Amino acid sequence: SQTIHQWPATLVQPVGSPLSLECTVEGTSNPNLYWYRQAAGRGLQLLFYSVGIGQISSEVPQNLSASRPQDRQFILSSKKLLLSDSGFYLCACVAGGSNTQYFGPGTRLTVL
Amino acid sequence: ILNVEQSPQSLHVQEGDSTNFTCSFPSSNFYALHWYRWETAKSPEALFVMTLNGDEKKKGRISATLNTKEGYSYLYIKGSQPEDSATYLCAFPSGGSYIPTFGRGTSLIVHP
Repeated sequence: SQTIHQWPATLVQPVGSPLSLECTVEGTSNPNLYWYRQAAGRGLQLLFYSVGIGQISSEVPQNLSASRPQDRQFILSSKKLLLSDSGFYLCACVAGGSNTQYFGPGTRLTVL
Repeated sequence: ILNVEQSPQSLHVQEGDSTNFTCSFPSSNFYALHWYRWETAKSPEALFVMTLNGDEKKKGRISATLNTKEGYSYLYIKGSQPEDSATYLCAFPSGGSYIPTFGRGTSLIVHP
């Protein structure tokens, strides 16, 4: 079964600083990959998804971007963080025919 | 944008009580419905995948039913325990690449 790694686990960044969150997947190939965010007091929001290397779809326009340089690597980035970027970021994958989402451990981002 | 509603938003019960909550979703073009359990400071974990009208799935004290014609699924917990405290999410996929829409979740707190 697949294992999803995310790092860092927690991050405190000043407003205007850049961001790079990394997600890697083991135990499967050619997965669909997803970035979600949970802001304080809110539900799970889909930010980006990818069905293959270099293929990124954005669900919400914002100052974040995503890249998929390798089959099992998904990166979330920002050039300049905003206060509203604070939240809990989850990477997830769907592989095989299950259509079940498997989530990584998450990154807690606080922008000050 | 699909409308996936969960109710109630939060629920407080005493240990030993049985409880249930609802996920409602569009009844047309049904593909599957997923239930996840999300404990605080952890990642969501898959509970059930429901695909057929009338489906009933069970895992220990937790069970779920599905009515695709009227567009709802119930999650039941029998004899709630404090360790059942979590947010329970349902997700309804759409699109050819499996893009899920998550409900906002039901937050369950079981008091000892």
